[in-house]
Amino acid sequence: GNSVTQMEGPVTLSEEAFLTINCTYTATGYPSLFWYVQYPGEGLQLLLKATKADDKGSNKGFEATYRKETTSFHLEKGSVQVSDSAVYFCALSDPGGGADGLTFGKGTHLIIQP
Amino acid sequence: DTGVSQDPRHKITKRGQNVTFRCDPISEHNRLYWYRQTLGQGPEFLTYFQNEAQLEKSRLLSDRFSAERPKGSFSTLEIQRTEQGDSAMYLCASSLTSGRPTDTQYFGPGTRLTVL
Repeated sequence: GNSVTQMEGPVTLSEEAFLTINCTYTATGYPSLFWYVQYPGEGLQLLLKATKADDKGSNKGFEATYRKETTSFHLEKGSVQVSDSAVYFCALSDPGGGADGLTFGKGTHLIIQP
Repeated sequence: DTGVSQDPRHKITKRGQNVTFRCDPISEHNRLYWYRQTLGQGPEFLTYFQNEAQLEKSRLLSDRFSAERPKGSFSTLEIQRTEQGDSAMYLCASSLTSGRPTDTQYFGPGTRLTVL
């Protein structure tokens, strides 16, 4: 079956530090990959997505590249801000593999200190 | 606000009681999904509808759970004879499907269920 593994948190960084949150996946078909973010007290919001190998998704200074050879979709940001503190979820959609719902990782709690 | 809405936002019930949640998707979105999220975990897929047809159900959806989308617009999720293990955040999402895996799901704020 499908699965998503992402690095355990919490991840604590200082403002303006470089961020990487690792995400790897297992899928039976040709999935699309997503990063969702959940700010404190709010619902899940789509941050970025990539639909095929070597695609790069980007938004709000975050980016992630769909790497089929390593089955990875790592999230990066060059300079984080306090406002980036949230829980980040990596997810995949694999309808070709018989799974129309999203498969999520457990989430990574990011804490940015001023 | 034209996003996905859910009602109620919080529900506290006693074990053995029935509860019903409602989800209103983004207008004209033809797919509607239900997920469950427990503390420290990512959301887990429960079921989804395309228009009024329920097309897929997860093994997580026991016989005590039932979902409907009678007119292809709003949906309800009912849990009968609630158990303490049902305590979780229940999330609804909707999408406008083109039949491709690229379709984006938009999530509501969730209904937090606490079973005493």
